Amino acid sequence: NAGVTQTPKFQVLKTGQSMTLQCAQDMNHEYMSWYRQDPGMGLRLIHYSVGAGITDQGEVPNGYNVSRSTTEDFPLRLLSAAPSQTSVYFCASSSGYSNQPQHFGDGTRLSIL
Amino acid sequence: GQQVMQIPQYQHVQEGEDFTTYCNSSTTLSNIQWYKQRPGGHPVFLIQLVKSGEVKKQKRLTFQFGEAKKNSSLHITATQTTDVGTYFCAGAGANNLFFGTGTRLTVIP
Repeated sequence: NAGVTQTPKFQVLKTGQSMTLQCAQDMNHEYMSWYRQDPGMGLRLIHYSVGAGITDQGEVPNGYNVSRSTTEDFPLRLLSAAPSQTSVYFCASSSGYSNQPQHFGDGTRLSIL
Repeated sequence: GQQVMQIPQYQHVQEGEDFTTYCNSSTTLSNIQWYKQRPGGHPVFLIQLVKSGEVKKQKRLTFQFGEAKKNSSLHITATQTTDVGTYFCAGAGANNLFFGTGTRLTVIP
């Protein structure tokens, strides 16, 4: 049972490039979310999904897109990378709703030059 | 909007000393959760408190939820080097979860 799997673990991009961060879970969880973690700012919610075909914005959605075509996968797309998007990105899932305990992936450490 | 404040931001203790981190919300919470993140790792769920005034223990860790369901604390007795990391509280509303900024604990052997 792998839990929540994120790829890649590390990535360096140039300003203006686009990329997709992958997230997959094998626990049949309906709720999935993406957070970014910056020093001194805790975890901030980017986007979330309550089930396949349903997504919504979190606290800091600008510059990111998501989709949820299956229960298992929830990719995060950076459309045109900016240095302000340098961060550690965590995908999380839960069996209940958004206010229930979250299972986190190992994270993707992203640097934008 | 809902905010969850956590203090202190950093704490350095000698091994064997106690440690406490506090979490306060501007609104009443449906539950509060605590997570631990080891250096270079990801947040790992520790516990969830739901009832007003609830106290739960996990070995040397004691978690409390305030009577008004707006504040919480995590207390570690006799810290060990394995306790190092950042401890986050997460306050839950009806359909959302807000993380505190975390307390980074350093344990000096």
